Amino acid sequence: GAVVSQHPSRVICKSGTSVKIECRSLDFQATTMFWYRQFPKKSLMLMATSNEGSKATYEQGVEKDKFLINHASLTLSTLTVTSAHPEDSSFYICSASGYQTSNTEAFFGQGTRLTVV
Amino acid sequence: AQSVTQLGSHVSVSEGALVLLRCNYSSSVPPYLFWYVQYPNQGLQLLLKYTTGATLVKGINGFEAEFKKSETSFHLTKPSAHMSDAAEYFCAVSEDGGYQKVTFGTGTKLQVIP
Repeated sequence: GAVVSQHPSRVICKSGTSVKIECRSLDFQATTMFWYRQFPKKSLMLMATSNEGSKATYEQGVEKDKFLINHASLTLSTLTVTSAHPEDSSFYICSASGYQTSNTEAFFGQGTRLTVV
Repeated sequence: AQSVTQLGSHVSVSEGALVLLRCNYSSSVPPYLFWYVQYPNQGLQLLLKYTTGATLVKGINGFEAEFKKSETSFHLTKPSAHMSDAAEYFCAVSEDGGYQKVTFGTGTKLQVIP
C-alpha cells in the first residue's frame, strides 16, 4: 500500500517558539493532504485540507495564522505551529491521497506527539 | 453532513471471546465506511473498508464488519480476541470519495483480559 511518512514522531518545544511537522508521501503523488489533531482520550478532529499548489482550507474554529499549512509539492506538506503554547500540545496526524492511490482511501502518517513546555 | 457514533468508549473482553465494537453512521449519500486501529503513540492503521458491493467486509487480523444500510450500522467483529488486539479502534465515514475527507467516531478502547 501507499506509504506516508511523518516527521518528527515526537517534539518538545518551548512556549512561544514555532515547530514544523512534515508529512511526506513516499511512493505516490499526494494531490490532497489532510491534517488532524487528536486530543487526549478523544477522537481525531480534522484541522485542514490542502491541495497541492493551493491554499489550505481550514475547518471552523482552527486558526489559520497559528497553524500554517504548506503543500508546495506533490510529496510534501508541512504544518507549522506558530508561537506554540502548552494548550497546543497534542498528537497531530496527516493523511494523503492521490492519483496513484485508491480513490476510496487516504493513507495516514505515524503521527507527531507535540509537547509544549 | 456525515457523522459517526461509536457506542461504548471502553470494551473489555476475555482472550478468546467474541469482539463486537459498535458503529452507527449518518450520511446524506451512500457512504464509504472504515475501521482504523491505533496502538499507543502510533498513527492509524486501516483494518477494513466498505465502498460498494458485498456488505460483509473482511479485513486484517481476522476482523470483519458488516454494512447494514437499514440500520445505518457498520459494527466490527472478531470471533476470538487475542491479547495483541488491545488498542483503540475508530470507525469513520467518508462521503466525498475523491478527497477522502474522513469523519471519525470518538473511538473505542478495547481491553483484552487474559
